[in-house]
Amino acid sequence: NAGVTQTPKFQVLKTGQSMTLQCAQDMNHEYMSWYRQDPGMGLRLIHYSVGAGITDQGEVPNGYNVSRSTTEDFPLRLLSAAPSQTSVYFCASSPSGVSYGYTFGSGTRLTVV
Amino acid sequence: AQKVTQAQTEISVVEKEDVTLDCVYETRDTTYYLFWYKQPPSGELVFLIRRNSFDEQNEISGRYSWNFQKSTSSFNFTITASQVVDSAVYFCALSEPNYGQNFVFGPGTRLSVLP
Repeated sequence: NAGVTQTPKFQVLKTGQSMTLQCAQDMNHEYMSWYRQDPGMGLRLIHYSVGAGITDQGEVPNGYNVSRSTTEDFPLRLLSAAPSQTSVYFCASSPSGVSYGYTFGSGTRLTVV
Repeated sequence: AQKVTQAQTEISVVEKEDVTLDCVYETRDTTYYLFWYKQPPSGELVFLIRRNSFDEQNEISGRYSWNFQKSTSSFNFTITASQVVDSAVYFCALSEPNYGQNFVFGPGTRLSVLP
């Protein structure tokens, strides 16, 4: 099992560019989430999904879009990158949500210049 | 409101010393879950333990132990006989399933174990 796979691992964007961070899991987990990690602030929830076709906003959703067309994939789209979106992004999945815990991917380090 | 405090920003110990990482939480529900995750220098997040609010038993797993005290809203993590491989950032996290699918993470404690 690969677990939760994130691509790319590193990315540099110019302000205003758009891009998609990919996330795939092979554990047939219904729940998936995106977090961003900033120094001294732990991780903060961007968007999450409780199943294919169902998504919802987290704590810091502005500037990001998600969709969940399949159980396996949960891409995160940056619409118009800003320097404030420089961060490490983690995708995570769970069989039953926050009462069970999540398995995290290895992260994508994004720099917006 | 939900909140997780990890007051120790950085800790340095010498190998074989015991070290305790503190975690204090605030919650608005009687049903909640507490977690510890480890983030080694390679960057991934590794799950260590989950504890629900109805189970105050302490837990030991090898050199790791956890002390959950509802009376003081604390969920502290102790590493016995620390090793260099324990060097990492450790995050405590709280979830309240009745209030949605969010983990509230503490800011993390960076542990350096020196040889």
